[in-house]
Amino acid sequence: QKEVEQNSGPLSVPEGAIASLNCTYSDRVSQSFFWYRQYSGKSPELIMSIYSNGDKEDGRFTAQLNKASQYVSLLIRDSQPSDSATYLCAVKNSGYALNFGKGTSLLVTP
Amino acid sequence: GAGVSQTPSNKVTEKGKYVELRCDPISGHTALYWYRQSLGQGPEFLIYFQGTGAADDSGLPNDRFFAVRPEGSVSTLKIQRTERGDSAVYLCASSFAGYTEAFFGQGTRLTVV
Repeated sequence: QKEVEQNSGPLSVPEGAIASLNCTYSDRVSQSFFWYRQYSGKSPELIMSIYSNGDKEDGRFTAQLNKASQYVSLLIRDSQPSDSATYLCAVKNSGYALNFGKGTSLLVTP
Repeated sequence: GAGVSQTPSNKVTEKGKYVELRCDPISGHTALYWYRQSLGQGPEFLIYFQGTGAADDSGLPNDRFFAVRPEGSVSTLKIQRTERGDSAVYLCASSFAGYTEAFFGQGTRLTVV
């Protein structure tokens, strides 16, 4: 069973702080890693992708990948109340099936 | 169209009936995924198509569920003899190639009464 694990939260951070979301995966040969944001009642929206070890920055978002530790994270700088949502970690395995974690609920308080 | 389109947006059906859910992927995307999502859960993988063929159908829960993509574009998810436990949001996603980013449609909310 290829698993993607996330802490369900809720993770509560004050406005302006850094939110750190974490994800581990079990399939060592996974090739592609994604973070999706999902607002209540809406479908998942892609916010970041990362394919190689290290950091990838896009605006206020930074994705971090460590394949040796089978760990991927998402940092959100200067968190805003509009960032309050569920964040889903997704991993593509060697067969390209896209497997999701259960998501971490983030609450940014004004 | 510009994005992944799913129809219908909502479907209410009686227990035991047959339903079809349609997904129209982003033009040019060869990979297509079906998921179902229950309240408070992450998307649960059902099936993945590469072109016309099902590359991975390991997530289909039982033989009441079937999906096709005959021309490598539009896909239909078919559920026979629906049960109340099939009630969920069914999500479709597509990507340009197997390893690249996948984009979701708005989903079909299926309610079995």
